[in-house]
Amino acid sequence: EAQVTQNPRYLITVTGKKLTVTCSQNMNHEYMSWYRQDPGLGLRQIYYSMNVEVTDKGDVPEGYKVSRKEKRNFPLILESPSPNQTSLYFCASSVGARTEAFFGQGTRLTVV
Amino acid sequence: GEDVEQSLFLSVREGDSSVINCTYTDSSSTYLYWYKQEPGAGLQLLTYIFSNMDMKQDQRLTVLLNKKDKHLSLRIADTQTGDSAIYFCAEGSYGGSQGNLIFGKGTKLSVKP
Repeated sequence: EAQVTQNPRYLITVTGKKLTVTCSQNMNHEYMSWYRQDPGLGLRQIYYSMNVEVTDKGDVPEGYKVSRKEKRNFPLILESPSPNQTSLYFCASSVGARTEAFFGQGTRLTVV
Repeated sequence: GEDVEQSLFLSVREGDSSVINCTYTDSSSTYLYWYKQEPGAGLQLLTYIFSNMDMKQDQRLTVLLNKKDKHLSLRIADTQTGDSAIYFCAEGSYGGSQGNLIFGKGTKLSVKP
């Protein structure tokens, strides 16, 4: 089954404690991206990757890092999380940057 | 930059039709998408329309596209409580285009019994 898998689904952490949210897709898509969803603000893109070892900033990259060492995986790293990073995060993959996107189930992150 | 706009809320009664509207600015858009996000879940593609089409129907769903006005709508006939969700409009294209898929902020559809 074609899917994008994110882990964990829920995470509560403390300010400053590094964390990684994993994302994996099994569709051999070149393009992957991370979004955060906040009430009233819709989806905002954090980072995206056009292919292996190619990543770029989206609209709200501050406080986040990503890596793309393999085509299928695109982890999101918060080196020093802060409460304003409390949000619902989605990973997505697609054939191209402006083609149909397939989304993971989301990760609800709370930073206290 | 390019933008997609949609109203944030819509409330309808069960059995009525729902119409969710969306406007976009990018005239090079090739595909217009509708995604549905149910509570606690990710976004799932509901339907899409090519920019050279005016209308697409799929069971209870009808998508209308006015390319001249850059206006897209999603009509859900005989709306059910299970249709309660957030609906996102998005515009994109194929073939080496610059930029990313652009999403609207989402319309929260509430269906009252």
